[in-house]
Amino acid sequence: DTGVSQDPRHKITKRGQNVTFRCDPISEHNRLYWYRQTLGQGPEFLTYFQNEAQLEKSRLLSDRFSAERPKGSFSTLEIQRTEQGDSAMYLCASSSTVPNTEAFFGQGTRLTVV
Amino acid sequence: AQSVTQPDIHITVSEGASLELRCNYSYGATPYLFWYVQSPGQGLQLLLKYFSGDTLVQGIKGFEAEFKRSQSSFNLRKPSVHWSDAAEYFCAVGAWNQGGKLIFGQGTELSVKP
Repeated sequence: DTGVSQDPRHKITKRGQNVTFRCDPISEHNRLYWYRQTLGQGPEFLTYFQNEAQLEKSRLLSDRFSAERPKGSFSTLEIQRTEQGDSAMYLCASSSTVPNTEAFFGQGTRLTVV
Repeated sequence: AQSVTQPDIHITVSEGASLELRCNYSYGATPYLFWYVQSPGQGLQLLLKYFSGDTLVQGIKGFEAEFKRSQSSFNLRKPSVHWSDAAEYFCAVGAWNQGGKLIFGQGTELSVKP
């Protein structure tokens, strides 16, 4: 397994456009997480899935954000009508549901809204 | 409220000197504790983790951390720093029964002087 993969690595978009990011977790992991990291800050939790069910969403996840994990494998995070404040690194992580196991992070998608 | 505090935003040490990065947390349950490292523009790499048991844990690259329940701390240490250790370091807490989502500190940027 090659670990958690995110695509694209970088995205530049104009304000008001929609963007979609993809995350492929480690294959045997059934939990998948999305985090957002702005410059100079630690990652902040956005949402997580267990299999295909979205079990928790942070208040940071505004109505313009939607995440899916349709078959319990890869996940997508879509941002509609992007704003400059959406510029950040979007990190995906996956983990097992077995206790005492850690999450593994992808390389992230760097979004710049101009 | 659940939170993680890393009091030092930026630390500079000389190569070969010892290092200690501080982390304090506030968390209702007995947490899982982690230290991650991040190079510029990259994802997060796990340095070490604490789930239970021995409060002194060893990680990769010669790092260790000690969990002190009475002080709600999980400080990271390294006896001799190498130039390649320059990076951003994040402390994080979570719990398996909270979905495994992580709460991160703001990070400590480590610079290494030759």
